[in-house]
Amino acid sequence: EAGVVQSPRYKIIEKKQPVAFWCNPISGHNTLYWYRQNLGQGPELLIRYENEEAVDDSQLPKDRFSAERLKGVDSTLKIQPAELGDSAVYLCASSLGLGTQETQYFGPGTRLLVL
Amino acid sequence: GQQVMQIPQYQHVQEGEDFTTYCNSSTTLSNIQWYKQRPGGHPVFLIQLVKSGEVKKQKRLTFQFGEAKKNSSLHITATQTTDVGTYFCAGQGGGKLIFGQGTTLQVKP
Repeated sequence: EAGVVQSPRYKIIEKKQPVAFWCNPISGHNTLYWYRQNLGQGPELLIRYENEEAVDDSQLPKDRFSAERLKGVDSTLKIQPAELGDSAVYLCASSLGLGTQETQYFGPGTRLLVL
Repeated sequence: GQQVMQIPQYQHVQEGEDFTTYCNSSTTLSNIQWYKQRPGGHPVFLIQLVKSGEVKKQKRLTFQFGEAKKNSSLHITATQTTDVGTYFCAGQGGGKLIFGQGTTLQVKP
């Protein structure tokens, strides 16, 4: 069974440019998470989807970040415009059931560098 | 808001020595999960503890959940070089899963 797929794996952009990340969760997983992980820190939740509904986006900086999961399967996370402080690893995770008590399976992440 | 703290931040041990990382929450948790992240890798689920005072073992790894469900520990007996990585606890409370900052383990052969 394929795991969580993310692309691209690496991205280097200049500040003020837009960037988008894509995630395809494990087949059949209803809940999808986007996390940001800064160097030396634990993952911080940006947004959680249950099917196509964003049920927790309280930590998403809505002035520049947006996300969608239109058909309740794959998802995109966008930053526009990017700032220097956005340099981090963006992790996508999925879990089978609804809610946060399920085991989360992480993708390999997208490492973003903003110059 | 809810906070999850882990100590120590780093630990260097000689191969064969034991290792322990501690996790403390500012609020009572409904459960706690532990993940391992190898250098350059992504977090991988290890275990979930739900009951007060629960103890679970996975080979050389022992996980404990405190009686008050506000703290947890991971103990590795006789570390091996394959144990290298960062260990994260993640506390579940109020519908949110909050990750600690992790403990990075280095093992000298």
